[in-house]
Amino acid sequence: EAAVTQSPRNKVTVTGGNVTLSCRQTNSHNYMYWYRQDTGHGLRLIHYSYGAGNLQIGDVPDGYKATRTTQEDFFLLLELASPSQTSLYFCASSDEGALNQDTQYFGPGTRLLVL
Amino acid sequence: QQKVQQSPESLIVPEGAMTSLNCTFSDSASQYFAWYRQHSGKAPKALMSIFSNGEKEEGRFTIHLNKASLHFSLHIRDSQPSDSALYLCAVSPTGFASALTFGSGTKVIPCLP
Repeated sequence: EAAVTQSPRNKVTVTGGNVTLSCRQTNSHNYMYWYRQDTGHGLRLIHYSYGAGNLQIGDVPDGYKATRTTQEDFFLLLELASPSQTSLYFCASSDEGALNQDTQYFGPGTRLLVL
Repeated sequence: QQKVQQSPESLIVPEGAMTSLNCTFSDSASQYFAWYRQHSGKAPKALMSIFSNGEKEEGRFTIHLNKASLHFSLHIRDSQPSDSALYLCAVSPTGFASALTFGSGTKVIPCLP
């Protein structure tokens, strides 16, 4: 099964702080995603990428930057964290292989608290 | 923008009973329909997916898709304590999982009969 790891698993910062969340996948998947999960909203897509150096805007990108440095590594940056960004963040990966045989594989999540 | 809505928000299900979770979507050109399951404190994990109208069964789980009604559902029979989880439906305009829009989830809570 696809392996996706995230670090840190928990993070506390203050309003205005600078935070970087890291994600690594070791399955040579082309696509990587950052989601946030809040009660009542399910998973909301922040940014995604289909390869090193590529970045695509998701549905809730405001206040977030992202960078895909290699095929394996995808980072989410909060340069001026706000309390509204307190959330559970998931990274995921997938590959457009055979049609109708695709799925996203999720990391364990990072819980971020902005005070 | 695709809108995906789930109902109900939560379900209490007696052990051994059957239950149904619903998902509606707004884009009639959608091609890929999936259910993900998320146990408490864990990552979401793909459960089942379907691409054409009709039903697909895997063990105690069945997906039913009706594209014309913009609706698909997940049926769980013989509910078990291990079914306790948040169930997320997801829809994509392509046949791939690279453009999924997720619903807000249905929390299934098993109980003793």
